[in-house]
Formats: sequence, structure tokens, C-alpha cells
Amino acid sequence: DAGITQSPRHKVTETGTPVTLRCHQTENHRYMYWYRQDPGHGLRLIHYSYGVKDTDKGEVSDGYSVSRSKTEDFLLTLESATSSQTSVYFCAIGADQETQYFGPGTRLLVL
Amino acid sequence: KNQVEQSPQSLIILEGKNCTLQCNYTVSPFSNLRWYKQDTGRGPVSLTIMTFSENTKSNGRYTATLDADTKQSSLHITASQLSDSASYICVVSGGSGTYKYIFGTGTRLKVLA
Repeated sequence: DAGITQSPRHKVTETGTPVTLRCHQTENHRYMYWYRQDPGHGLRLIHYSYGVKDTDKGEVSDGYSVSRSKTEDFLLTLESATSSQTSVYFCAIGADQETQYFGPGTRLLVL
Repeated sequence: KNQVEQSPQSLIILEGKNCTLQCNYTVSPFSNLRWYKQDTGRGPVSLTIMTFSENTKSNGRYTATLDADTKQSSLHITASQLSDSASYICVVSGGSGTYKYIFGTGTRLKVLA
């Protein structure tokens, strides 16, 4: 998985609780992305980062925030988890805007 | 609007047979087109990437074609194997914004023994 890990790999939480997912890379790539994947929708961009402390919103950013204080880490926070945020979350990295390598995914269940 | 459409949504074939997956896009400006394979429970893995000037790109039994004039791409799988069972995602890089990737919803392929 091109030096990219995600943690946790599985998580069950309750509605209303905050949740933080971590993406860690060892490739020193500039770009990092968070996606969610749901049946019938494919991969949808939540947020992305083009450098330390530089982030931007994607098409489904409501209810999510991100932080990137170091090149290697990109954190995704669900401020108050809802059942609609039950999904599989993928992190991706890229040295430039022409390539993406995906992590193994985090399966999140919000009860 | 920039879009990527894939067909069919799902496909079942017998082991050893060939198949072709389709991807049509309306992305401008166009930079490149990539096919990913995603096994169940795993992240997508890149199979091929093609730029505007490339018509064909192979990766083992996988051959991708690109017609930039008609904005169509296909992924041909030769002599399918059980391990080819997966989702195949077409992703086009381009557009005028900072974020460049437009994803198709994928074709789910099942290869039966």
C-alpha cells in the first residue's frame, strides 16, 4: 500500500460521539486525501491537503474536519458522528496531482 | 459538468473468458485516465494510466484503450482468472479546479469457476 497506513482499521461508535481517523504516510508526499466509499456512490472526496496546514473541502465535507500539522499525518475528525457517516473511509497520497496511492481503508459503523 | 460513467455496473463471466469494461467521460481539460482494481475490503490499486497521446496501455492480462476524440476508454481483461473478481474504477484527472480527480462508480466483476 505504498507506505500508507490508516488507523483504526475498524471502529464502532455511537451517534453524537467525536471520532478521529488517522492517515500516516512514509513517502513524504505532498498531497493527501480523505474519501468515503458507499454502495452506489463510488469514492467521494471529503477533504484534501496540498501541504502542511493547507487543506480544502471536497464534495461531502459537511460534518467533517481535517488537520495536517506534519507532512506524514492527515487526520479526519467527525465532530459528532451520525448514522449517515457509517462508511468505509480511504486515505490517499500523491507526490503530485497526477498520481494517487490508496490506503487499506477504515470501516466505521455509527450506531 | 465533469463526469465519468462506467458500464456495465456489474458483470459475471466464466474463468478463462475475456471481457471489456467501458468508461465514458466528460472532463475538460483532460490530463490523464487511470484504471484501478479494488479487491473486496482493500483500497484501490492502479492498473494503468494513459495520457492524451496514448491509445493503448497494457499491464499483463489487462489492456486499456483510450479514444480522446470520443472521450471513451475501455479495459479489456484477457483469459480471466478467479482473482480478477473485483471492482474496476475509472478515474479521470483534469478539470480546472485545484482538485483534479473525477471518479466513476465502478464495474463489479465476478469470475466464476
